[in-house]
Amino acid sequence: RKEVEQDPGPFNVPEGATVAFNCTYSNSASQSFFWYRQDCRKEPKLLMSVYSSGNEDGRFTAQLNRASQYISLLIRDSKLSDSATYLCVVSLNSGYSTLTFGKGTMLLVSP
Amino acid sequence: SAVISQKPSRDICQRGTSLTIQCQVDSQVTMMFWYRQQPGQSLTLIATANQGSEATYESGFVIDKFPISRPNLTFSTLTVSNMSPEDSSIYLCSVSGGQDEKLFFGSGTQLSVL
Repeated sequence: RKEVEQDPGPFNVPEGATVAFNCTYSNSASQSFFWYRQDCRKEPKLLMSVYSSGNEDGRFTAQLNRASQYISLLIRDSKLSDSATYLCVVSLNSGYSTLTFGKGTMLLVSP
Repeated sequence: SAVISQKPSRDICQRGTSLTIQCQVDSQVTMMFWYRQQPGQSLTLIATANQGSEATYESGFVIDKFPISRPNLTFSTLTVSNMSPEDSSIYLCSVSGGQDEKLFFGSGTQLSVL
């Protein structure tokens, strides 16, 4: 079983739609969780951390489900500019070498 | 967040040659890292560049193939040695964002080996 799994997509949604991605992780000892965004041919950029209580940043909501070992990202009122690949990152909190990246989920928002 | 300049942005190289990638940060940072992102794959940590000492390599990566320099707290280089087509990838420099394991990345180097 892969350490961090994501549906590669692409998820095709119209502008204004709500879309959600899940990411599952295999190591129950994982402590820190992040979502990064990567535009085509660009570097990954931190979108948000994922806290146990869940967190929201504008149109973006991230949640953690430790019992089922997954994190989710919800995007409301999708914009064309949200089109990108979203990377799930999981860490054991034992140093940067324990950061594990998923392969990413591609989102395409159309007019 | 730190501003990270990475160059070259892309290169096409012949097999058997070597390429050195440079990473410059606009502020002093303790931890710098080199990642590889192969087509359709997730980011993989190559090594941690340590200032004043040898880099710490992850499993599957060795110093002879990926020598790294870190002469000061704002600069590092990664060399991809004796390249083969399997080395074609995006190479990314990154720095730590503080105590919570967040990362900031350079713009990446797209390497194609013929």
